[in-house]
Amino acid sequence: GAVVSQHPSRVICKSGTSVKIECRSLDFQATTMFWYRQFPKQSLMLMATSNEGSKATYEQGVEKDKFLINHASLTLSTLTVTSAHPEDSSFYICSARGSTMVYEQYFGPGTRLTVT
Amino acid sequence: GQNIDQPTEMTATEGAIVQINCTYQTSGFNGLFWYQQHAGEAPTFLSYNVLDGLEEKGRFSSFLSRSKGYSYLLLKELQMKDSASYLCAVRDRGDDMRFGAGTRLTVKP
Repeated sequence: GAVVSQHPSRVICKSGTSVKIECRSLDFQATTMFWYRQFPKQSLMLMATSNEGSKATYEQGVEKDKFLINHASLTLSTLTVTSAHPEDSSFYICSARGSTMVYEQYFGPGTRLTVT
Repeated sequence: GQNIDQPTEMTATEGAIVQINCTYQTSGFNGLFWYQQHAGEAPTFLSYNVLDGLEEKGRFSSFLSRSKGYSYLLLKELQMKDSASYLCAVRDRGDDMRFGAGTRLTVKP
């Protein structure tokens, strides 16, 4: 199957700082990328969907000014958590689909964010 | 709104068969997925159903009834490594995939 990578895998930052997480599709062009957040022992919650070259569509309750998503190329999307707070500590997972994929959606390995 | 429900936890014995149910109510339907997730890792794809019926893939099978808003994942010949969370997800319309809370399966010797 196709491969999606995320970087970094783990990050610790101080409250009030910003953190950028990268999501890359390594062997296909990702026309659509999805960002999920997962708190301990809970399921994945969709945060936003982004199509290459356009603005991301955010789910209700997700602050677009706090979680900045950029999908500038067909292989890269970034999520920037601005002015991070301890409650933003979570597991962030990206997922990607290509234009030729009928139903497949491939997940990255996730990024564990801890805000101190 | 939408609802995707599955049991929180299940326990089964090594070598046995277990069925994990999922019911859903969504504004549209464009396919149902089952994923396996080990703690601290990303989900891995198990199965996809868009038409009614049973899809079999090795030890894993998945069933869908669209009229009932119901699916199940059947795991046969359970192995200890099958201990994980199993996530039911529905693509309601377009590309958005939404997940249930997950079922934590524990396989005991």
